[in-house]
Amino acid sequence: KAGVTQTPRYLIKTRGQQVTLSCSPISGHRSVSWYQQTPGQGLQFLFEYFSETQRNKGNFPGRFSGRQFSNSRSEMNVSTLELGDSALYLCASSLDPDTGELFFGEGSRLTVL
Amino acid sequence: GDSVTQMEGPVTLSEEAFLTINCTYTATGYPSLFWYVQYPGEGLQLLLKATKADDKGSNKGFEATYRKETTSFHLEKGSVQVSDSAVYFCALIPNSNYQLIWGAGTKLIIKP
Repeated sequence: KAGVTQTPRYLIKTRGQQVTLSCSPISGHRSVSWYQQTPGQGLQFLFEYFSETQRNKGNFPGRFSGRQFSNSRSEMNVSTLELGDSALYLCASSLDPDTGELFFGEGSRLTVL
Repeated sequence: GDSVTQMEGPVTLSEEAFLTINCTYTATGYPSLFWYVQYPGEGLQLLLKATKADDKGSNKGFEATYRKETTSFHLEKGSVQVSDSAVYFCALIPNSNYQLIWGAGTKLIIKP
């Protein structure tokens, strides 16, 4: 059974650009969550989608957005990149998010110069 | 509001030492409690969980007991290995909104 796949794994952008990250969940999982991980702030929740609907949203500015497609694949977008957006972005899928049992991908490491 | 507090790291131990990583929580009702582990260069993975008071979660030699009276869920292992070096996250999911609340993570370094 394939795990959660995130692409790209590494990317470098400059300030002001935008970026789109992709996440393919485990087959059958309809919930996808996104997290930002930085050394200083730890693990910060961005948003969660279930069957194409955003169920929960963290405390991030509107530059951070996401969506989920009918096949449960998800994308997140960050516009007008800032240096502080440099982080590891983790995607997690779940069969039932209310159980707290998440399956994480390896992450997309974004560096903003 | 609901929160999770973990001991600060890094925690450095020698191989075969006994491990305890402290985790305490604040939440109303009876949340479910979790330990996730992140090995270098990887995403997080669920290590163990407990869903009610006095439950003991266990996996890969690690254990944690849900203590309602002390609002704690400390992670323990009797004899650590170099391969246990990782970052460990304590988390809870409250009954109210089913949104995971994460601790800050504790980095564990095991020296041979």
